Amino acid sequence: GNSVTQMEGPVTLSEEAFLTINCTYTATGYPSLFWYVQYPGEGLQLLLKATKADDKGSNKGFEATYRKETTSFHLEKGSVQVSDSAVYFCALSQGAQKLVFGQGTRLTINP
Amino acid sequence: EPEVTQTPSHQVTQMGQEVILRCVPISNHLYFYWYRQILGQKVEFLVSFYNNEISEKSEIFDDQFSVERPDGSNFTLKIRSTKLEDSAMYFCARRGGRRNSPLHFGNGTRLTVT
Repeated sequence: GNSVTQMEGPVTLSEEAFLTINCTYTATGYPSLFWYVQYPGEGLQLLLKATKADDKGSNKGFEATYRKETTSFHLEKGSVQVSDSAVYFCALSQGAQKLVFGQGTRLTINP
Repeated sequence: EPEVTQTPSHQVTQMGQEVILRCVPISNHLYFYWYRQILGQKVEFLVSFYNNEISEKSEIFDDQFSVERPDGSNFTLKIRSTKLEDSAMYFCARRGGRRNSPLHFGNGTRLTVT
């Protein structure tokens, strides 16, 4: 079945550091890929998405590129802020099927 | 402002009691989902609901769980006899207009079973 694997957390960085959170997936066919963010005490918010190979999703300074050759969708941001502290989930779905989540990566940004 | 409203935001219940969690989508869509997240852990799929029928369910979604859309608007998750291990955040989600569009989640209901 489909699955998503994220880098283990927690990740702690200083403000303005470069961020990478790795995500790889296993799926048959061509899934759509997503990053969701969960701020403390809140629900899941869509951060960005990509629906086909080589697509780049971007939002709020975050980017991720759909790499079919490496089955990856790594999340990057050039300069993180304290307000980016949250749990980040990589996820995939195919058609109208359920969304399958990775285990989540907790990110803490120190001032 | 979430596109999906969940009530209550927090429910405390005693073991063995029935609970009903409610979800009200703002738009009229056909695809709905329930997920749960045990504190600090992975977001787990429970059930998907399409055109007023269950389309897929996970191993977690056993006979203690049921879903309904009784009035064509509210979408409910019922747990008949709660167990301590049912304590979690429960998220309702709807899918956007197209089949491969993302899920939009509510803010969740925190269920505490004592």
